[in-house]
Amino acid sequence: QVQLVQSGAEVKKPGASVKVSCKASGYTFTSYGITWVRQAPGQGLEWMGWISAYNGNTNYAQKLQGRVTMTTDTSTSTAYMELRSLRSDDTAVYYCVRDEYYDSSAYPRLWGQGTLVTVSS
Amino acid sequence: DIQMTQSPSSLSASVGDRVTITCRASQGINNYLAWFQQKPGKAPKSLIYAASNLQSGVPSKFSGSGSGTDFTLTISSLQPEDFATYYCQQYKSYPLTFGGGTKVEIK
Repeated sequence: QVQLVQSGAEVKKPGASVKVSCKASGYTFTSYGITWVRQAPGQGLEWMGWISAYNGNTNYAQKLQGRVTMTTDTSTSTAYMELRSLRSDDTAVYYCVRDEYYDSSAYPRLWGQGTLVTVSS
Repeated sequence: DIQMTQSPSSLSASVGDRVTITCRASQGINNYLAWFQQKPGKAPKSLIYAASNLQSGVPSKFSGSGSGTDFTLTISSLQPEDFATYYCQQYKSYPLTFGGGTKVEIK
């Protein structure tokens, strides 16, 4: 079945970097984009950005520009999200989400299980 | 950026109640709207896409409507498994944006 399996929880110090992986299975990886969404404790959902697994094109949230990089490895059907210069307010659960296409548009459809990233000194 | 405003932010309802959640976009988004359900400690789950299309496997007690700037999610008869937080999201343009969420609690 189609699924996204993310890497495990991370604890990082302020100023460090984190790289979260998202391994896809059950479908042709390069046929769908991947969106990254995060959720701070007790808060709502925040869109971080999107990457095309076909050609690597990206679109990032302006507030994260310069600190976030999204990549894919088509040989392993894995997407990655790296966030640098971590701050305490980056503490959140990070989700990867596979697109679905309808009516010439794409929307986030299938969610990974989430990866908790804790930033603490 | 397109702002998405959900109301109410929370509501209390009883099993069997009909519940309606509203989502308003700051500008027209045609029908490029999705709804998600999230239970505590779990990843969100897709319920509806293109404003009114039910995701496969989602029970028909859920329905969505609207176009342009005003949208609604309706649960026709609330069941215990429906107590959760619901989010709308527009995918008309980047950055994709979510509503603030509506927490549906047991009365």
